Amino acid sequence: AQTVTQSQPEMSVQEAETVTLSCTYDTSESDYYLFWYKQPPSRQMILVIRQEAYKQQNATENRFSVNFQKAAKSFSLKISDSQLGDAAMYFCAYEGNNQGGKLIFGQGTELSVKP
Amino acid sequence: SAVISQKPSRDICQRGTSLTIQCQVDSQVTMMFWYRQQPGQSLTLIATANQGSEATYESGFVIDKFPISRPNLTFSTLTVSNMSPEDSSIYLCSVTQGAFEAFFGQGTRLTVV
Repeated sequence: AQTVTQSQPEMSVQEAETVTLSCTYDTSESDYYLFWYKQPPSRQMILVIRQEAYKQQNATENRFSVNFQKAAKSFSLKISDSQLGDAAMYFCAYEGNNQGGKLIFGQGTELSVKP
Repeated sequence: SAVISQKPSRDICQRGTSLTIQCQVDSQVTMMFWYRQQPGQSLTLIATANQGSEATYESGFVIDKFPISRPNLTFSTLTVSNMSPEDSSIYLCSVTQGAFEAFFGQGTRLTVV
């Protein structure tokens, strides 16, 4: 069975600085998708970034980028120029190729941003 | 992108009662998913709801406790039956569109007293 592990329950970053959130996963599949979701206090789950496993190039979305290491089964999220609005719970998630939208989530990392 | 309306947004219920949560999507989708997020925890999939067939439940979740309806391609309900304080959680519905992007409702915060 696939598992997703986030080993950092809490992280803190100074405004305008850079922070990296860690995620590792375990799977025997070769094709899959990885995601980072943000959940602010409003509870709304917001997709931050997505990575297809068959793509070697790391995904980037503005200030957000990932370091995808397929062999190591690692998928970290880097947030550059951190803003106060980035403060939230961040979840790493895995979806198998034929799972049709079923996500397996990590435990989450609570990110706080200090002004 | 899909817009999902989930009702109610929150409720406080007496133990032993049942609550039905509604999830309405603004477009037709094949599968809808129900997740539970216990306090301070991650999201755990309860079941997958397909239109026209029985829902598929994940290990640890049963139909008698969490009956699901899926009458059409834009709507689903999840009922939390015979509630106990351990059922206090956030319940979220989700759909997938396009390139495997999942969209979520705003969640229902349930407190059982």
